[in-house]
Amino acid sequence: RKEVEQDPGPFNVPEGATVAFNCTYSNSASQSFFWYRQDCRKEPKLLMSVYSSGNEDGRFTAQLNRASQYISLLIRDSKLSDSATYLCVVRVVGAGSYQLTFGKGTKLSVIP
Amino acid sequence: DAGVIQSPRHEVTEMGQEVTLRCKPISGHDYLFWYRQTMMRGLELLIYFNNNVPIDDSGMPEDRFSAKMPNASFSTLKIQPSEPRDSAVYFCASSLGPQNIQYFGAGTRLSVL
Repeated sequence: RKEVEQDPGPFNVPEGATVAFNCTYSNSASQSFFWYRQDCRKEPKLLMSVYSSGNEDGRFTAQLNRASQYISLLIRDSKLSDSATYLCVVRVVGAGSYQLTFGKGTKLSVIP
Repeated sequence: DAGVIQSPRHEVTEMGQEVTLRCKPISGHDYLFWYRQTMMRGLELLIYFNNNVPIDDSGMPEDRFSAKMPNASFSTLKIQPSEPRDSAVYFCASSLGPQNIQYFGAGTRLSVL
C-alpha cells in the first residue's frame, strides 16, 4: 500500500464549479499535513497546511480526519487559474527525520 | 531573494555518461533536499542535508547516485554512470528548519538516451 494515495483524476470541471479532492495516508504517525500545487512543468508550491480543526483560505478549504487517516481539499467557485495538479503531502516525525511524503497528485482542469 | 536555483534546467545525455546537477538554496536556509519526480513513482525524496551534513540518504536509489554539499550555498547530485531509467525531473528544495515550508527550485529535466 502506498503511503499517500490520491485519485489521479483528471477532474474536468466548468468554471464556477465546486470540486473536492481526497487523500488517504497509511502511517498513523503522520503529524503534519499539506496540500501543494504543481503547475504543468513547474515546481511544487505550498498551497496550504491542513489543521485538525479544518482551515480555510479564500476559496480553498482543507479538512483532516485523523481517525480515518483522510485529508480533503475543497475548491469553491473554480477559476481557470486553478488548473494544476494538487499534491497531498504528509510529514512523519521520528528518529530525527522530518521527511515529507508526497502523493502522486490529482490533476484538475477547469474548463471555460 | 532569487529562490532556490537549479542548473541546468535541461540535460540530455547518453547512457554511461556522468551527470552533475547543481543547486543553490535560499540564503540562510539550513536544510536542503533532493527529490526525483517521475510519472510512475511521483515525487520521491532522495537525500537531505542539515547544515551541509547528509542526514538521510535512504532514498538514494543505488551507488551510482551521490550528493554533496561543500558549503551552505551549493549542493550537487551526481549520477555516474547514468542509465535511461534515471530520466526524470530532479528538484532541489530548501527550508529554514526541518518543519518549515520547503521551497522548491524549478527542477532539472534529465533525459538519458
